[in-house]
Amino acid sequence: GIQVEQSPPDLILQEGANSTLRCNFSDSVNNLQWFHQNPWGQLINLFYIPSGTKQNGRLSATTVATERYSLLYISSSQTTDSGVYFCAVLWAPYGNKLVFGAGTILRVKS
Amino acid sequence: EPEVTQTPSHQVTQMGQEVILRCVPISNHLYFYWYRQILGQKVEFLVSFYNNEISEKSEIFDDQFSVERPDGSNFTLKIRSTKLEDSAMYFCASSGRDRGQPQHFGDGTRLSIL
Repeated sequence: GIQVEQSPPDLILQEGANSTLRCNFSDSVNNLQWFHQNPWGQLINLFYIPSGTKQNGRLSATTVATERYSLLYISSSQTTDSGVYFCAVLWAPYGNKLVFGAGTILRVKS
Repeated sequence: EPEVTQTPSHQVTQMGQEVILRCVPISNHLYFYWYRQILGQKVEFLVSFYNNEISEKSEIFDDQFSVERPDGSNFTLKIRSTKLEDSAMYFCASSGRDRGQPQHFGDGTRLSIL
């Protein structure tokens, strides 16, 4: 099956700092989504980005499908950005299930 | 913005009991899913449902599990004879007509088996 690898596994930032989270995948995908899991366990959909670049406030994402990676940028981080960030892909030739990476745990300190 | 709703938010059940988790997908969506997340681990696919039947299921989704769309709005996951290892967060999701459209997730049901 498809492999989804996220890096780094853990990240500690001072409030106001910028960060880049990476998601590598091993095969072609039809869909790629970024999620933020907050401390209450809710999965918040950040981006649907199978290719190209999108921005939403302090967050932006870029997917280079031909090179099989996606990047999530967080600028001017806030303590509320803390949580786990998951990348999930829908494998192109097979089925409708999202395959999740292991996540990046982000801690933003004030 | 329309959203997926799940009930209950937290369910505590004795081992061996049956539990039903409920979901109301987004109204014009056609694909429905259940995912599971054991504490501290990544989210895992359980099952997808389309046109009133299971379209795909994972190895986790054995005879202990079943899904149903009993009416035009609800989508349920039933777990028979629960085990301690069924303790997890269960997420329902739905997506639109075309394959590859974004999946929208509910807030999850935290299932605790005692």
